[in-house]
Amino acid sequence: ILNVEQSPQSLHVQEGDSTNFTCSFPSSNFYALHWYRWETAKSPEALFVMTLNGDEKKKGRISATLNTKEGYSYLYIKGSQPEDSATYLCASTNAGGTSYGKLTFGQGTILTVHP
Amino acid sequence: DAGITQSPRYKITETGRQVTLMCHQTWSHSYMFWYRQDLGHGLRLIYYSAAADITDKGEVPDGYVVSRSKTENFPLTLESATRSQTSVYFCASAADNEQFFGPGTRLTVL
Repeated sequence: ILNVEQSPQSLHVQEGDSTNFTCSFPSSNFYALHWYRWETAKSPEALFVMTLNGDEKKKGRISATLNTKEGYSYLYIKGSQPEDSATYLCASTNAGGTSYGKLTFGQGTILTVHP
Repeated sequence: DAGITQSPRYKITETGRQVTLMCHQTWSHSYMFWYRQDLGHGLRLIYYSAAADITDKGEVPDGYVVSRSKTENFPLTLESATRSQTSVYFCASAADNEQFFGPGTRLTVL
């Protein structure tokens, strides 16, 4: 079983601040790293899927990087807005199966953006 | 409606009863999954299915049974519910390297 860790556990920032959080995962046998955004009382929504070392993906003010050799990914939010408040989950899959199956999730980072 | 749905959305049951949570998707995705959300653990995989009639255990399968006779449906059954199975359950389906989650079922076992 993979051990996926996220830090910090929670984060409070002011509107307009830029912020980032970390996902660490076992680098051996890595296949894919997923980031999800999860708002309260809703279901997780996929942000990014990354597979290649050095991958960098961007969606609006949110971007993510991937380092498969050292086993970490960063998620960045530029100019945080109150609507960015959510739990951000990362999940990893091993090679040997498919990237569809057996996602192992971290505990999530709860982001609160104060107006 | 297109998408992935779960029913019921809320369920209260008693210890020892059998409960079935339904999951239905309209995309014809091959892969489907059941997760439970627990404080301090995030989402944990219970079972998944690669296609109709193909299922496999995830991280926490004990106390649960699944079936997949049709591609679009993936029911999860708690054979004899226990209080430790009180949780929010999410179903998901996958295509193109991305998992799509249902709205969740909040289950309380008294």
